[in-house]
Amino acid sequence: GAVVSQHPSWVICKSGTSVKIECRSLDFQATTMFWYRQFPKQSLMLMATSNEGSKATYEQGVEKDKFLINHASLTLSTLTVTSAHPEDSSFYICSARGAGVKPQHFGDGTRLSIL
Amino acid sequence: QQQVKQSPQSLIVQKGGISIINCAYENTAFDYFPWYQQFPGKGPALLIAIRPDVSEKKEGRFTISFNKSAKQFSLHIMDSQPGDSATYFCAASQGYSTLTFGKGTMLLVSP
Repeated sequence: GAVVSQHPSWVICKSGTSVKIECRSLDFQATTMFWYRQFPKQSLMLMATSNEGSKATYEQGVEKDKFLINHASLTLSTLTVTSAHPEDSSFYICSARGAGVKPQHFGDGTRLSIL
Repeated sequence: QQQVKQSPQSLIVQKGGISIINCAYENTAFDYFPWYQQFPGKGPALLIAIRPDVSEKKEGRFTISFNKSAKQFSLHIMDSQPGDSATYFCAASQGYSTLTFGKGTMLLVSP
C-alpha cells in the first residue's frame, strides 16, 4: 500500500520551454503533497507543500512563479517548471501524505535535463 | 534549530558486518524520526521510524537506537549485504509534518 507514482521519470527539453511533472497517490487520498529538489550527492530540499484545494506554501528562496504547483484533487499534484533553463536541471521528487497514511511516501522522482 | 546532523558522509562495510549511521538533532519539538533508503535514480523509501517514547526499534536487520537526553538517534544495519549499498537519510519532524533531512550517508557494502 501507500504507492506514489511520478511521471515522467526522465525528461529532456530545450531551454525556455515549460515542463509539467505529475505526482499521483495510487491507493490513498493525499491530503498533503510535498515537492523536493535534489542535486547530485546532496540531500532533499523541500520546495513547497500543498494541501488539496489550497494554494501551495513555498519555502524561502523558491520562486512560486517559476515552479507552479497545483493540487486540485486528492490523488494528483502537478509541478510545472516554467521557462526552464539549464540551472533548473535537477532531480525532482514528490511525496504524499494522507489522513489515514500519515508518514510521507515518496515517488521515484523525475530527472529533468534542460539543454 | 531545525538542523539534523548526520555522520558519516560515507561508509564502507564488509559483507556481514554492522553498518552504523548517526544523527543528532537540536529541535526538542521533534517527535518523529524516520530513516530513508535511496538507490540511485530512485526516490527515498521509508525504512524504519521511531517515536521518542521508546529507546530502540528493530525491524529485521535494521535497528534504530534513540537517546532522547542526548538528542541523538542512529541506524544499525546488521549482517550488511551488498544489496544494502545505497544512500541513507535520517530525518525528523514534529508529528508527521515537514521533514528535516540529514545530509545523507553513502553506504557501500563490499562483497
